[in-house]
Amino acid sequence: AQSVTQLDSQVPVFEEAPVELRCNYSSSVSVYLFWYVQYPNQGLQLLLKYLSGSTLVESINGFEAEFNKSQTSFHLRKPSVHISDTAEYFCAVSGHRGSYIPTFGRGTSLIVHP
Amino acid sequence: DSGVTQTPKHLITATGQRVTLRCSPRSGDLSVYWYQQSLDQGLQFLIQYYNGEERAKGNILERFSAQQFPDLHSELNLSSLELGDSALYFCASSVQGAQNTGELFFGEGSRLTVL
Repeated sequence: AQSVTQLDSQVPVFEEAPVELRCNYSSSVSVYLFWYVQYPNQGLQLLLKYLSGSTLVESINGFEAEFNKSQTSFHLRKPSVHISDTAEYFCAVSGHRGSYIPTFGRGTSLIVHP
Repeated sequence: DSGVTQTPKHLITATGQRVTLRCSPRSGDLSVYWYQQSLDQGLQFLIQYYNGEERAKGNILERFSAQQFPDLHSELNLSSLELGDSALYFCASSVQGAQNTGELFFGEGSRLTVL
């Protein structure tokens, strides 16, 4: 079965500092990779996704993630965070053995301090 | 707004009781997924329905059941509730066919508290 490991359960950072949220997955075949964001008292929203093509994918609000097949990683980065980025971030993988039901990591709580 | 609607948003009940959670998928989506989110287990896949038929099962307890109706809305039934069933239950829907990549559109969830 596929699995996703988010290495940090909580990442505190100051406003305008850079941040990296780490995600590793286990699969030896081609997969689809996602980052979802969950703001307090809301559902999960897609932040960005890797399906194929360029290994660097970007979101509309300044986040980016790079698919690294050799390291089976899909880390999320932002060069300068805002208070409003405070949220729970989930990494997910699908496509393993033809299953399109995504498996989610445990989530990383990004806490941005002023 | 994802287009996925879940009701109720909050539900408080007692152990041993039964509750029903309801979900309406995005317009045009035939697949519905149910997930359970708890602090100790994270986001766990429960079950998927596609156009009225059960398609995949995950970590769903025998006390739980679901169905999808002809109008494509889905219901998750939780019975003989225990304290440990307290969680946030999410419904999600997805596009179909060759375009299906596993990208899901989530509702805002139903928070169940069992006392």
